[in-house]
Amino acid sequence: GNSVTQMEGPVTLSEEAFLTINCTYTATGYPSLFWYVQYPGEGLQLLLKATKADDKGSNKGFEATYRKETTSFHLEKGSVQVSDSAVYFCALRSESSASKIIFGSGTRLSIRP
Amino acid sequence: EPEVTQTPSHQVTQMGQEVILRCVPISNHLYFYWYRQILGQKVEFLVSFYNNEISEKSEIFDDQFSVERPDGSNFTLKIRSTKLEDSAMYFCASSPLPSNTEAFFGQGTRLTVV
Repeated sequence: GNSVTQMEGPVTLSEEAFLTINCTYTATGYPSLFWYVQYPGEGLQLLLKATKADDKGSNKGFEATYRKETTSFHLEKGSVQVSDSAVYFCALRSESSASKIIFGSGTRLSIRP
Repeated sequence: EPEVTQTPSHQVTQMGQEVILRCVPISNHLYFYWYRQILGQKVEFLVSFYNNEISEKSEIFDDQFSVERPDGSNFTLKIRSTKLEDSAMYFCASSPLPSNTEAFFGQGTRLTVV
């Protein structure tokens, strides 16, 4: 079936460090891929998305590239800030099960000043 | 900016009682969803709803759960006889179409069963 696997947290970095959160997926065809962010005490917000292979989604300095050959959608940011501290969820919507979005288990990110 | 709104933000109920969680999706969206998140853990799909019927449901969504769109704006999740393990954050979401679009989430209702 369709699934999303992302690196376990928590991840703790110093401000201005480089961030990578790994995400791989299993799905038939060409799913749409998403990164959602959940700030403390809040709901889920879409951070970025990519809907076809080799697309790059970007927002707020974060980027992720849809890699069909490696079934990956890793999240990166060149210089993190304290305000980036949150839980990040990789997610997909597959062609075969388009009526739901499947989430990974989430990665908690903490940034030290 | 349009948003999904959920009420109440926090609901405390006794075990065995019925609860109804309410959501107002974004007005021109056609697909609606309920998800739950237990103690800040994984976000689990419960059900999706389109054209006044359930499109898909998970194994979590058993006979204790039901959804309804009672009018043109509200979308509700009912839990008939709550159990302690139903305590979670419940998120409503909506999307314009299911295809390759993202879902827009509400702020959630924290349900506490005591």
